Amino acid sequence: SQQGEEDPQALSIQEGENATMNCSYKTSINNLQWYRQNSGRGLVHLILIRSNEREKHSGRLRVTLDTSKKSSSLLITASRAADTASYFCATDAQAGTALIFGKGTTLSVSS
Amino acid sequence: EAGVAQSPRYKIIEKRQSVAFWCNPISGHATLYWYQQILGQGPKLLIQFQNNGVVDDSQLPKDRFSAERLKGVDSTLKIQPAKLEDSAVYLCASSSLRGGEGRNTIYFGEGSWLTVV
Repeated sequence: SQQGEEDPQALSIQEGENATMNCSYKTSINNLQWYRQNSGRGLVHLILIRSNEREKHSGRLRVTLDTSKKSSSLLITASRAADTASYFCATDAQAGTALIFGKGTTLSVSS
Repeated sequence: EAGVAQSPRYKIIEKRQSVAFWCNPISGHATLYWYQQILGQGPKLLIQFQNNGVVDDSQLPKDRFSAERLKGVDSTLKIQPAKLEDSAVYLCASSSLRGGEGRNTIYFGEGSWLTVV
């Protein structure tokens, strides 16, 4: 079963624009993580936010978490063509349990 | 630090044949996962090992899928007999719980692409 649902399913923007992806989940979580997957490749970890955190930054990435709404957002600022990929949110119910992934958002950045 | 290694990268088999995938996790990682990713979907957990013991195999189709991690390091995932719907990428991943129990970053291999015809 899939815990997270990303929205939108697909997003097309121009280089330099910001990209925002949303994730909703169903049950309580320990952590929420975002992963990137380039076409034909494995998943790469981007950022982890704990359930007691509300916002986190890493370079051009900004993640927010609202546990009351069971939702998270990933913002990529000043996007580049190299950001073209699928982005997945993943949650774990408690430490030591496996991550459950959403269906992903496909981001296309054109130059 | 070497990443998660998987082989083979690509495999094409006929339905009802068998196939095996191999994974070598990051050195020192006690937890190993196999995920199945069907095209256009997110990864779905098949099985989770902690050292050489199974933690979660609730979504593993045990009538045709099997996995083992005999010495707590390498792992193999086998499908026998394969069905058309098994066409997917099989992702191996590993993690360490060192550094605080709240930190559970999972590191993925490049995947083994299976096509069943």
